[in-house]
Amino acid sequence: AQSVTQPDIHITVSEGASLELRCNYSYGATPYLFWYVQSPGQGLQLLLKYFSGDTLVQGIKGFEAEFKRSQSSFNLRKPSVHWSDAAEYFCVGSQGNLIFGKGTKLSVKP
Amino acid sequence: DGGITQSPKYLFRKEGQNVTLSCEQNLNHDAMYWYRQDPGQGLRLIYYSQIVNDFQKGDIAEGYSVSREKKESFPLTVTSAQKNPTAFYLCASSVQGNGELFFGEGSRLTVL
Repeated sequence: AQSVTQPDIHITVSEGASLELRCNYSYGATPYLFWYVQSPGQGLQLLLKYFSGDTLVQGIKGFEAEFKRSQSSFNLRKPSVHWSDAAEYFCVGSQGNLIFGKGTKLSVKP
Repeated sequence: DGGITQSPKYLFRKEGQNVTLSCEQNLNHDAMYWYRQDPGQGLRLIYYSQIVNDFQKGDIAEGYSVSREKKESFPLTVTSAQKNPTAFYLCASSVQGNGELFFGEGSRLTVL
């Protein structure tokens, strides 16, 4: 069955530290892949997307993600986290139908 | 500015009442979606529509109904048959086929 897995429910990092949020997918063929961010009580905003081509994808707010076919992963990274990055992050796969990961909540320590 | 507008942002209802959540988009997108979000469960698809006058059930359609009479509008009715309607509801739209969603700000429904 198709699935998108975010292994970490909650991550806490210090402000200024680097960040990596994990996402693994299970599809018969490579899906389209997306990362969204959701601030409390708000809708979701697209951070970046991967359709094909360059496996390192740049997004908004200084985020990037790397597609690794061999590991079925699409991890989200940011070199230096800001307090305003505290939010919930969702990895999404699409191959016709959309499959959402359960989300990873990011907390940022001062 | 183009976008998706959901209303109301907060809604309270008594048990046994139906309630309708509004979703309007001016992005000229063909596809529209309704999701339900509960803590720790991510987003679950209620209904989606890929074209006017047509819609399909998602994973948790029981107790909900929708209509798609206009391209820009996709209202969701939470009926009294929905056993646990208290949740955060998100509407989204997309250009047909590529899966990139644009979301509204959400509507929080509380049943008293």
